Amino acid sequence: DAKTTQPPSMDCAEGRAANLPCNHSTISGNEYVYWYRQIHSQGPQYIIHGLKNNETNEMASLIITEDRKSSTLILPHATLRDTAVYYCIVRVASGSGNTGKLIFGQGTTLQVKP
Amino acid sequence: DAGVTQSPTHLIKTRGQQVTLRCSPKSGHDTVSWYQQALGQGPQFIFQYYEEEERQRGNFPDRFSGHQFPNYSSELNVNALLLGDSALYLCASSMVGQGVGNEQFFGPGTRLTVL
Repeated sequence: DAKTTQPPSMDCAEGRAANLPCNHSTISGNEYVYWYRQIHSQGPQYIIHGLKNNETNEMASLIITEDRKSSTLILPHATLRDTAVYYCIVRVASGSGNTGKLIFGQGTTLQVKP
Repeated sequence: DAGVTQSPTHLIKTRGQQVTLRCSPKSGHDTVSWYQQALGQGPQFIFQYYEEEERQRGNFPDRFSGHQFPNYSSELNVNALLLGDSALYLCASSMVGQGVGNEQFFGPGTRLTVL
């Protein structure tokens, strides 16, 4: 599985967009980009995933560069409850013998401030 | 729809003891993965169970073992506890065969403290 690089911490003002970057320069063609977050003392929560097209759901948007070597998770209107550690993970799809295990790095600690 | 549940929430043991942690997957899920999260670190994959068998194992010693039951629930056993086993133990469930949509849903974790 490809490795990812994320900034250790970021701040964001409440109500503003939070843009969390992730570098995955060694990503393979069959690997997807996943984002999870972990609010203090809770289990990680799935946010979004994508292959090469931009994706949006009720929680966030995922922008993947054309060369797929980096991506950005966007929380359009950050709230105090979005304060958490955000993990960017690349992995192959599960199935065909792949377990889909997640390899977590250190993640980015996002602090949303009033 | 109940999510992933884990028990107990907290546990204190002494070195050398054995511990069993339990996990019930989200309804409809048939695969359970276990992760260990030391303080200040990201979760580390321990192993995954599907069809009552261990499918893949991370870099953990044989002291860590598991089991999956016919109802898909799972146990994590750790023998001969060391101080370094103190961590948050996370269970995640998923469903094989959903391909790329097979995101894992995590439980709240069991906080194990070894004294």
